[in-house]
Amino acid sequence: DAMVIQNPRYQVTQFGKPVTLSCSQTLNHNVMYWYQQKSSQAPKLLFHYYDKDFNNEADTPDNFQSRRPNTSFCFLDIRSPGLGDAAMYLCATSIPGTNEKLFFGSGTQLSVL
Amino acid sequence: EDQVTQSPEALRLQEGESSSLNCSYTVSGLRGLFWYRQDPGKGPEFLFTLYSAGEEKEKERLKATLTKKESFLHITAPKPEDSATYLCAVQARGGSYIPTFGRGTSLIVHP
Repeated sequence: DAMVIQNPRYQVTQFGKPVTLSCSQTLNHNVMYWYQQKSSQAPKLLFHYYDKDFNNEADTPDNFQSRRPNTSFCFLDIRSPGLGDAAMYLCATSIPGTNEKLFFGSGTQLSVL
Repeated sequence: EDQVTQSPEALRLQEGESSSLNCSYTVSGLRGLFWYRQDPGKGPEFLFTLYSAGEEKEKERLKATLTKKESFLHITAPKPEDSATYLCAVQARGGSYIPTFGRGTSLIVHP
């Protein structure tokens, strides 16, 4: 019944080794978001897609990139992970104009060695 | 700039001991205030949306209320399974649909 699915649940990578996190949705929502969340902190928006339109937050490092090949899938690429990129990465979806609550996936916990 | 401040950062309760979590916000016209529950190692799960001052929503032992400056999440007779982090988020009217999140309140309920 999962509606927003993130893979993998846990990802271990090495310092500087590119990594890709994936998110898929069965809700057919227009908007897909990527958040970074560190322990005891608010989720931090990295970027989002409204349909095919990509919106980057001003303070998102260039090291982070995203792709949305179709409505259902969205990917987060970290080109050269640093130790500070270790965090939980959350994917979420919504439909603007409705009650606009976010539907989150279970997250991917990224460790950088 | 929209701001959300949640207090306390952490709260420990005994089972059955009722309490309230606070979410203070500053926004240029509130479109919606959201409460989410987040279990350790998982994504947030939606609880409530509140739109206007005076509005209240209830779900099991949880009741969310809203004023013009803050929202409370009241927990009545909590059980250990209510242990989680509770996140508050606000959305501004006329602006972006992107919500601004608070840091959350970590709630632990001891049996």
